[in-house]
Amino acid sequence: KNEVEQSPQNLTAQEGEFITINCSYSVGISALHWLQQHPGGGIVSLFMLSSGKKKHGRLIATINIQEKHSSLHITASHPRDSAVYICAVRLKKETSGSRLTFGEGTQLTVNP
Amino acid sequence: DAGVIQSPRHEVTEMGQEVTLRCKPISGHNSLFWYRQTMMRGLELLIYFNNNVPIDDSGMPEDRFSAKMPNASFSTLKIQPSEPRDSAVYFCASSLNFADGSNYGYTFGSGTRLTVV
Repeated sequence: KNEVEQSPQNLTAQEGEFITINCSYSVGISALHWLQQHPGGGIVSLFMLSSGKKKHGRLIATINIQEKHSSLHITASHPRDSAVYICAVRLKKETSGSRLTFGEGTQLTVNP
Repeated sequence: DAGVIQSPRHEVTEMGQEVTLRCKPISGHNSLFWYRQTMMRGLELLIYFNNNVPIDDSGMPEDRFSAKMPNASFSTLKIQPSEPRDSAVYFCASSLNFADGSNYGYTFGSGTRLTVV
């Protein structure tokens, strides 16, 4: 069983829809990242969370430490939001450095 | 800052050849990571450095892989000899890690797409 699990694996939406991608983890963490990867492109860090909620434009990320769960929401989705969204965690057991453990990613396609 | 800079962007090489991937982290960052991404395994950590010292290389597949960080502004990942199964996208990332374990500015490079034929 992966330490980090995302759902759904694939998501297709119509432009304008509200989108939610979920991430659950099974171990203690010190931080959680949401990453975005466009086809053939690099990886962009959208958020780093250790508690609560963060918002940037149409993107909102929340985390519930007790439930070991995080969600990424996209409001008023647009075709340019089409990408793979990856949840990654920094394990609390790490005594030095900040290596990430990744979920398998969610492929989001937003149709016009 | 130009971000994390990787070179080359694309590399096609023949099986058995030596391949060297390069990374320049963000100035001031003290942690550097090499990740590999494949369709089958997703993103996985190969090795990471803290203050130029390798901390964990347990993700390095085998002795054909080696990584160095001779100074704070440069790292290399070398594969010798290369094999077709090494074909993947290799990402370098850097961050600023504090003594209390907190972390700032995790940034990925654009990646090197390696194809071994």
